[in-house]
Amino acid sequence: AQSVAQPEDQVNVAEGNPLTVKCTYSVSGNPYLFWYVQYPNRGLQFLLKYITGDNLVKGSYGFEAEFNKSQTSFHLKKPSALVSDSALYFCAVNQAGTALIFGKGTTLSVSS
Amino acid sequence: GAVVSQHPSRVICKSGTSVKIECRSLDFQATTMFWYRQFPKQSLMLMATSNEGSKATYEQGVEKDKFLINHASLTLSTLTVTSAHPEDSSFYICSAPSQGNTIYFGEGSWLTVV
Repeated sequence: AQSVAQPEDQVNVAEGNPLTVKCTYSVSGNPYLFWYVQYPNRGLQFLLKYITGDNLVKGSYGFEAEFNKSQTSFHLKKPSALVSDSALYFCAVNQAGTALIFGKGTTLSVSS
Repeated sequence: GAVVSQHPSRVICKSGTSVKIECRSLDFQATTMFWYRQFPKQSLMLMATSNEGSKATYEQGVEKDKFLINHASLTLSTLTVTSAHPEDSSFYICSAPSQGNTIYFGEGSWLTVV
């Protein structure tokens, strides 16, 4: 069975500082890993995905994520946070053609 | 990029009536679409997988007769909440995979049953 864990309910960071939102996964076989962002009362926006290849994946809005197979992690990062990055972030996993399985979500709060 | 359109974005219906939510892939074809339900500040719960040309696959605990899913074409899936009750009030989101296994989501539909 596949599962995703986001150990932090909330992450607080000051504007301009680097941010990390953590995600670990458990899958059988090779994982497809995703990050999505959700703003209040909105659907999910795709940020980035890892399928294969370079462990450092660059995505939208300056976000990136590093795939670490030995630690089964896929942490989301950004070098310099913006207040507008404040939102709910979801890590997800699937295998090709199947539905995404989501973590519980992490609320990112960036203060000015 | 690929876009998934969901309609209506908000709907209020009376208890006991039915309401239909549409999910369209606008610039790609999707033989499969996924329907999720989300409670406030919680994660997305997969309800069912919609398959074009065949029956939907429902997750355990999801009532097939209450949440009717029809995948009418390669670009349209519908979710009908039948005999709605206040506890069905929620945020419903659809998604569809495009080429390369990037999965795009609709904007979601807020259902309020009064």
